[in-house]
Order: sequence, then structure tokens, then C-alpha cells
Amino acid sequence: DIQMTQSPSSLSASVGDRVTITCRASQSISTYLNWYQQRPGKAPSLLLYTASTLKSGVPSRFSGSGSGTDFTLTISSLQPEDFATYYCQQSYNAPRTFGQGTKVEVK
Amino acid sequence: QVQLQESGPGLVKPSETLSLNCTVSGGSMTSYYWSWIRQPPGKGLEWIGYVYKSGSTDYNPSLKSRVTMSIDTSKSQFSLKLNSVTAADTAVYYCARARQQVVDFDYWGQGTLVIVSS
Repeated sequence: DIQMTQSPSSLSASVGDRVTITCRASQSISTYLNWYQQRPGKAPSLLLYTASTLKSGVPSRFSGSGSGTDFTLTISSLQPEDFATYYCQQSYNAPRTFGQGTKVEVK
Repeated sequence: QVQLQESGPGLVKPSETLSLNCTVSGGSMTSYYWSWIRQPPGKGLEWIGYVYKSGSTDYNPSLKSRVTMSIDTSKSQFSLKLNSVTAADTAVYYCARARQQVVDFDYWGQGTLVIVSS
């Protein structure tokens, strides 16, 4: 199985901050990497796919980059609704695996 | 707008079979993988597997011996059966749609909590 490791596991930030989350795959996955946001008590929702493509309707303050084994999710200016947990997921092969999550909390 | 809705018992006894259905509305069931993903309380996400419109399946090897998925496109439903459950199977179970080309989960159900307890 491909292991996905996110860092940090949690971070504290303020509204307006630039936030970066890292995801590392245990082997090369090209750009088969997706990002999700999960608010408390809700289902995850897709933010970006194939590492850098924004899902329709997702605010442009979210961006993604990377290929191979190292990927980043950036929120350019954190908004109140962005305090949530973020997960990466590899779609290179089965079993589809997720990172352990990064919780973005209020500073 | 595509919507998915899970249904099934919220409490299952140890050693019994967990059975859930997912009803899809607002879209076709063709050209997608219909998926189950679970999340134990306070923990991360685990992909259980998916079923295609043809009935073909792909399961997580860690659960493969206990999982069965099926699909009924005439009813716009797909289902999950997980047998011989233990407390470790207690989780929120989500159904989700995965696009074939990129295998991202672009639509999710709201999730249903299944507790395994006697």
C-alpha cells in the first residue's frame, strides 16, 4: 500500500494567514493526488484533484502543487469557514489511501 | 445536483453483518466507481472499496475477506455488507462517487454512524 503522510498534524492560524500543508507519498504517484476539507460533523468535500486542479465552485484561495512524492496545499488567506481538517488522498493505485489529516485551528 | 444518502441500522452486534445501502439521486450511475469509505470516531479516513455499474468490485485488501458490495442501477442504489464485525468496525460510513479518470471522491453522502456493540 502507498502510505500518505501529512505534516503538520495540526496547526494554529489566524484569519488572513497564509497556510501550507504538506503531503508525502511513500512512492511516486505522479500527480494522482487529491485534497479534501472536512468540517466537524460533516462529510469530507473535494477541494482539488490531480494535485493542482481546483474543483468547480471551490474558492481560488485554495491551491495545490507537487508531483512524484511531495505535495502541498496552500490557503492564501485563511477565512473563518476554512478552520477544518484537511486530508490528502492518492489515486495512483488501489487501495486508495488517505493521509492522517491536518487540523487547522484558531490561533 | 448529485446527492447520495446512506441508510441502514445504526447498531450491529459483534460477529454479525453490517449492511448499508446508498441511494443516488440527481445523476447517472454510469462512468463512476461507487465507493464506501469509513471513519472511526476521532480518526482518519479508510477506503473500503468500490463497485462499478457492471458489478465488478475492488476492495481494500485489509477488509477484502469480510466485504461484499453490490449495485442495482435500476434502483439507483449500491450496497455494502461487512461480516463478522467487531468493535473496531465502529465508524461513520460514507458512500461516495469516484470519477473513473482521476479516482477522486467528488460527491459524498452525509455519513451514517454504525456502532458495533452487544
